[in-house]
Amino acid sequence: EVQLVESGGGLVQPGGSLRVSCAASGFTFSNYGMHWVRQAPGKGLVWVSRIHRDGSSTDYADSVKGRFTISRDNAKNTLYLQMNSLRAEDTAVYYCARLTDSMILRKHVFDIWGQGTMVTVSS
Amino acid sequence: DIQMTQSPSSLSASVGDRVTFTCRASQDIGNSLAWYQQKPGKPPNLLLYAASRLESGVPSRFSGSGSGTDYTLTISSLQPEDFATYYCQQYYNTPPYTFGQGTKLQIK
Repeated sequence: EVQLVESGGGLVQPGGSLRVSCAASGFTFSNYGMHWVRQAPGKGLVWVSRIHRDGSSTDYADSVKGRFTISRDNAKNTLYLQMNSLRAEDTAVYYCARLTDSMILRKHVFDIWGQGTMVTVSS
Repeated sequence: DIQMTQSPSSLSASVGDRVTFTCRASQDIGNSLAWYQQKPGKPPNLLLYAASRLESGVPSRFSGSGSGTDYTLTISSLQPEDFATYYCQQYYNTPPYTFGQGTKLQIK
């Protein structure tokens, strides 16, 4: 079964740090770009970050640039998001998502999502 | 960045109804549009991509259309399991990957 399972969420104080992880199974992890998408309570979906299949390039939303770092370990089939200098507005469910990319199909979409891990930034 | 705007923000309908959701991009996105369904407490689920192509396993009552800046998602005959929030997302110019704010479909 193709699956993504996030872990590592929790309560952290403003200015603190947290690392969330996403364990992949059921597919060849190293063949896919991977992303983090977050959703604040009662709000919509917001893209956070992406990493190339081999980890050679990364991108970030402006709201997290310089504070968050995405990485991956293809030997462990695991995606990470290191979050530093956390703010109250970072409070959200963090989803990891697989991007499937096919130029022939014009398909460049998030086709597999994890269940999410909740990060709460509060004193 | 490309902005995505969905309308309406919420919609009430009954089982068996035909419903249509609208998504407008701030610029031409050349059919590079996906639709997702999200139920409470669950992750999003991909429904369509390239504006009108149905993802494998998605019921045929879901369909998409549009071009340029304006796109629609239609459910031909609502089923009880369809009550959820629907998001559009553009992938014409990324990053960032931008989503609409969502349309919540509620039971009338």
